[in-house]
Amino acid sequence: LAKTTQPISMDSYEGQEVNITCSHNNIATNDYITWYQQFPSQGPRFIIQGYKTKVTNEVASLFIPADRKSSTLSLPRVSLSDTAVYYCLVGDQYGGSQGNLIFGKGTKLSVKP
Amino acid sequence: DAGVIQSPRHEVTEMGQEVTLRCKPISGHDYLFWYRQTMMRGLELLIYFNNNVPIDDSGMPEDRFSAKMPNASFSTLKIQPSEPRDSAVYFCASSGGWDRGYNEQFFGPGTRLTVL
Repeated sequence: LAKTTQPISMDSYEGQEVNITCSHNNIATNDYITWYQQFPSQGPRFIIQGYKTKVTNEVASLFIPADRKSSTLSLPRVSLSDTAVYYCLVGDQYGGSQGNLIFGKGTKLSVKP
Repeated sequence: DAGVIQSPRHEVTEMGQEVTLRCKPISGHDYLFWYRQTMMRGLELLIYFNNNVPIDDSGMPEDRFSAKMPNASFSTLKIQPSEPRDSAVYFCASSGGWDRGYNEQFFGPGTRLTVL
């Protein structure tokens, strides 16, 4: 299983762009990179998923370099409501591998006014 | 859809008692997951089902824990007997696999269990 490393915490201010980088040096060929967000007293919520290059949705962008050994979640113009824990997960998630996603400690993002 | 439904939302019990947590997945989802979250250990996968069949229960801490999925719309996680170290938030999640072109798990609100 690919292990991920991400910063324990980050601080930002409202209106700034926030980039959270995750390292996954032993990512396998079939692995996808997925990010989840968790607010206090709630379950995690899916943000974005990608395999290579760049993926963008209405919430965030995910940048994946060619070697796929790292990935960066980009949150444009954060607000106070983006204060949460962000998890980076790596796994193939096919068939019997659905349970191979490992939620680490995540990155606690604090957005200040 | 109402999302993943879990009950109860809070449970306080005494050591040695049996605890049953319940989950209703999103209709049409064929994967169901049970997780446990604590400050010390983070979010851990306990067991997951595919089409009501347990696929991987290697995360179940010990024989005191058991999970069932009698049909596609209901699952239970039972702890018998409960111990104080079982105190945690238990999440249920469901997924339709890659039916939307990406694989997303939908989490319920969780059950906060306190064992005294």
